[in-house]
Amino acid sequence: DTEVTQTPKHLVMGMTNKKSLKCEQHMGHRAMYWYKQKAKKPPELMFVYSYEKLSINESVPSRFSPECPNSSLLNLHLHALQPEDSALYLCASSQDGGAGGVEKLFFGSGTQLSVL
Amino acid sequence: DAKTTQPPSMDCAEGRAANLPCNHSTISGNEYVYWYRQIHSQGPQYIIHGLKNNETNEMASLIITEDRKSSTLILPHATLRDTAVYYCIVRVGYGGATNKLIFGTGTLLAVQP
Repeated sequence: DTEVTQTPKHLVMGMTNKKSLKCEQHMGHRAMYWYKQKAKKPPELMFVYSYEKLSINESVPSRFSPECPNSSLLNLHLHALQPEDSALYLCASSQDGGAGGVEKLFFGSGTQLSVL
Repeated sequence: DAKTTQPPSMDCAEGRAANLPCNHSTISGNEYVYWYRQIHSQGPQYIIHGLKNNETNEMASLIITEDRKSSTLILPHATLRDTAVYYCIVRVGYGGATNKLIFGTGTLLAVQP
């Protein structure tokens, strides 16, 4: 199984709502990532988890809250979002071979989020 | 990480080789060249990577110049399904704890029938 599964595929939420995006992989990967992609732009890194610990936060606003409950699951909790947060949210995973290893990232198909 | 420069778009006829260039003139000795592509409405897909030598796999070939300042991704027989944005990324080969894979603007390859 070389898939990264993201749910839901589409999400519409109001600015006062709380919602969560879910990402799952069963490849035994120990690094997981959230990227945000606006239309016609490249993906932008948001967060990196390594061995279930947050290792990189690219100065993301606190209305985005990541969570890694176990090595197979990654969540992104959303609260009080703004319309400009509307984007494709991509999850990825990689082996995490440690320093000196070359990492191949496996991406899910993303969740298309619309904030009204 | 070294900056990369790619043409914004390219066309290629179906069945012909697609040669996608990437300039990375400030690359340092321990930085790898990675290529990913993103087909419309999908997540990016890893294609190939290399350090110094040319590399080939089932998807593509990667040619890195001797001075490592540029590289070319070659799709030997392009098909319509190869229409995508192709990203060239230069990155030290760290593991996940510091693995910041940063995407540039990429090249939109349009394969024409």
